[in-house]
Amino acid sequence: GAVVSQHPSWVICKSGTSVKIECRSLDFQATTMFWYRQFPKQSLMLMATSNEGSKATYEQGVEKDKFLINHASLTLSTLTVTSAHPEDSSFYICSTKGVDYGYTFGSGTRLTVV
Amino acid sequence: GQSLEQPSEVTAVEGAIVQINCTYQTSGFYGLSWYQQHDGGAPTFLSYNALDGLEETGRFSSFLSRSDSYGYLLLQELQMKDSASYFCAVPSIYNQGGKLIFGQGTELSVKP
Repeated sequence: GAVVSQHPSWVICKSGTSVKIECRSLDFQATTMFWYRQFPKQSLMLMATSNEGSKATYEQGVEKDKFLINHASLTLSTLTVTSAHPEDSSFYICSTKGVDYGYTFGSGTRLTVV
Repeated sequence: GQSLEQPSEVTAVEGAIVQINCTYQTSGFYGLSWYQQHDGGAPTFLSYNALDGLEETGRFSSFLSRSDSYGYLLLQELQMKDSASYFCAVPSIYNQGGKLIFGQGTELSVKP
């Protein structure tokens, strides 16, 4: 149980465009979804916490107008990177609390902005 | 706030035993978890310690000492497939419903 499906796995976009990343909980209802960003050889840095039906909570230093998070249903949370620039190129991954003590993660999205 | 420290890299040979340490500083403590992440993949949950002592799961064991704010992950009978990054992590609130804070990760290289 507690499977999270994340799409797309990778995306290349032009600078200035927007990209939407989706995370779906397949066999359970995820009231909370955590969004992380990971640069090569670095740790996972929490960007924001989304709660179904309410506004996301962003970590300090994360631009909420640039990284739009929507959690409109108990099975879908989305992250939209708006006006992407090369420095936004990274590995984005969602996560939610699993059924035991662990957290379950989506498969991640490798974003490359050219 | 929370901070976790772990070595950046460890190298070991197949069949050996390796220990990855993690020290933490937290405003509240709700357990220590370990995750494995292969290059390009998602983290996968390995273990969780809420109380002092050793938890064993197959070839992997995890230890916690709350008085020392210290834990470690022990990997036995190392295999090539164990080459990955290992992260210790702490949840921000009780029962792990809150956000998970990760250490910087330890890159384990297993050599033949």
